[in-house]
Amino acid sequence: GAGVSQSPRYKVAKRGQDVALRCDPISGHVSLFWYQQALGQGPEFLTYFQNEAQLDKSGLPSDRFFAERPEGSVSTLKIQRTQQEDSAVYLCASSPSMDRSGNTIYFGEGSWLTVV
Amino acid sequence: KQEVTQIPAALSVPEGENLVLNCSFTDSAIYNLQWFRQDPGKGLTSLLLIQSSQREQTSGRLNASLDKSSGRSTLYIAASQPGDSATYLCAVRLRNEDSTLTFGKGTMLLVSP
Repeated sequence: GAGVSQSPRYKVAKRGQDVALRCDPISGHVSLFWYQQALGQGPEFLTYFQNEAQLDKSGLPSDRFFAERPEGSVSTLKIQRTQQEDSAVYLCASSPSMDRSGNTIYFGEGSWLTVV
Repeated sequence: KQEVTQIPAALSVPEGENLVLNCSFTDSAIYNLQWFRQDPGKGLTSLLLIQSSQREQTSGRLNASLDKSSGRSTLYIAASQPGDSATYLCAVRLRNEDSTLTFGKGTMLLVSP
């Protein structure tokens, strides 16, 4: 595709509900990143994939957060039993490079999650 | 833990002014530093990338400098335009193998016509 595509763009979830956020990276991009951006804050790293391998998940805030990229293209970030503090924009980014430096990195427009 | 601070948090200037955005980081052993732009409701667009061995990078009206030893970077915008209005984010990477970008909170810039 022309850019990184994320869906849904907006999601309102009731506390305790499970949500799934989808990311379609740029075709052929090897590296895929998830970031969480709370209101008024900078993005914070969640997890990183190289193809289908999840090489770094050190930023996932709890075991309620799970990410996968089973075929090395589309990725899904799943949040179980959502809490109010999970309200944020979830940004996906992809990069064509194999190394983690991601010098050329392209961000999607984000999925805006509000937990009520 | 690496911390990135951006000053000012918000800035409002009239069109045509030259301006400087500041970024500081606590761990000077960085691999590179990037400046991003974020428009409301949008993702991030990379503006400039400075490797740790470089002192500055330029792109059009934008110039970014890096002083690694003092843990500082500046983004200089010349002849500002209303279309420059956005939030500007600074991010550092510690090591080449490190997948993590550490971001500041950003500077929200408003350029009025």
